[in-house]
Amino acid sequence: DSGVTQTPKHLITATGQRVTLRCSPRSGDLSVYWYQQSLDQGLQFLIQYYNGEERAKGNILERFSAQQFPDLHSELNLSSLELGDSALYFCASSPQAGQGASYEQYFGPGTRLTVT
Amino acid sequence: AQSVTQLGSHVSVSEGALVLLRCNYSSSVPPYLFWYVQYPNQGLQLLLKYTSAATLVKGINGFEAEFKKSETSFHLTKPSAHMSDAAEYFCAVSDDYKLSFGAGTTVTVRA
Repeated sequence: DSGVTQTPKHLITATGQRVTLRCSPRSGDLSVYWYQQSLDQGLQFLIQYYNGEERAKGNILERFSAQQFPDLHSELNLSSLELGDSALYFCASSPQAGQGASYEQYFGPGTRLTVT
Repeated sequence: AQSVTQLGSHVSVSEGALVLLRCNYSSSVPPYLFWYVQYPNQGLQLLLKYTSAATLVKGINGFEAEFKKSETSFHLTKPSAHMSDAAEYFCAVSDDYKLSFGAGTTVTVRA
């Protein structure tokens, strides 16, 4: 158990809908990362937050957004869902963040999103 | 940008045999490198990391990896495979604020 929790574990929804994925980082970790894992794209970095502020953006679609709250939990919002958004979404956390950081990231169990 | 390439998308080994998973990195600066394992329907678990303190890094579950700058490699090994090692393994490099992952290598262990 990494100490990172994600809810829900599974989510099935229809095209055009909006969903929210939730993540709680390890106790004491200030940085939260979101990744998408799909068969065709592999593991792709979406976005990072550090202590409530957006720090870095990766291959995140405009239909997706995220935020980190004062208690450090984070939510990833996915809207106008398409079939291609079906994937595993992982949250990870680390103690701090920095360019070229050596800090390992601890991953949650993921949320499997299925768009029908 | 830093990146890693994993050679071989699938490796099949016999129980008790050597496990060797290959990873090459591309980095303009001394890299921070990681190996993660993903068991079916689970998240990623850190096996080990290289941060320049020592070129031979020991991790959990009997795995180790050797950093070779001359070969830009960070291969993962385990002397004797166990059935429980069947999983997908990812090499990753710290790239700016994120981790950049390789495509992954699936390990199958034959009884």
